[in-house]
Amino acid sequence: DVKVTQSSRYLVKRTGEKVFLECVQDMDHENMFWYRQDPGLGLRLIYFSYDVKMKEKGDIPEGYSVSREKKERFSLILESASTNQTSMYLCASSFRIGGLEGYTFGSGTRLTVV
Amino acid sequence: AQKITQTQPGMFVQEKEAVTLDCTYDTSDQSYGLFWYKQPSSGEMIFLIYQGSYDEQNATEGRYSLNFQKARKSANLVISASQLGDSAMYFCAMREGYNTNAGKSTFGDGTTLTVKP
Repeated sequence: DVKVTQSSRYLVKRTGEKVFLECVQDMDHENMFWYRQDPGLGLRLIYFSYDVKMKEKGDIPEGYSVSREKKERFSLILESASTNQTSMYLCASSFRIGGLEGYTFGSGTRLTVV
Repeated sequence: AQKITQTQPGMFVQEKEAVTLDCTYDTSDQSYGLFWYKQPSSGEMIFLIYQGSYDEQNATEGRYSLNFQKARKSANLVISASQLGDSAMYFCAMREGYNTNAGKSTFGDGTTLTVKP
């Protein structure tokens, strides 16, 4: 069964810490994405990557960076965690269906910054 | 700019009955796709069904069907014979562009469906 795996389901970090959220997919997909999900705000795209070492900013990249050194792994980095980054983070890789692009999501990481 | 609207924050349905979750969209692109995802309380979003803008027939996938009305820009999800396990949040999403990485996906705010026994 194809999978996107996020390394942590729940994470508690302190303000100012550097935080790494890891995501691995086993489907040989080229495109990977990081979203954050907040009540009332829906899903918002942080960063995405079309290939190894490539990255593109999404709608809300401020305070985040990403790393894609290998095709299967896409990491989200919070350079200096702040309380307003408390959220659910969803990683996804995309598949082609009928010429369109659908997503396979991971289980999410619920991050709390205290 | 593309936009997805889900007007029903919450819905209730009796077990074994059918339910329709509404989704309207706005785009100036001619080539796009509509997708539905299910997010149970566990958190993982699961792809359910999709419809391309050039597809003439409504998509079906088991108990899920997509009522696509292009002129009205609506893509409602119909779940037949609801089960308790259908209780979840449902997201409608739109992806512009065929066979391109240049398009973007936009998600609605979601509808929480509760199936009553």
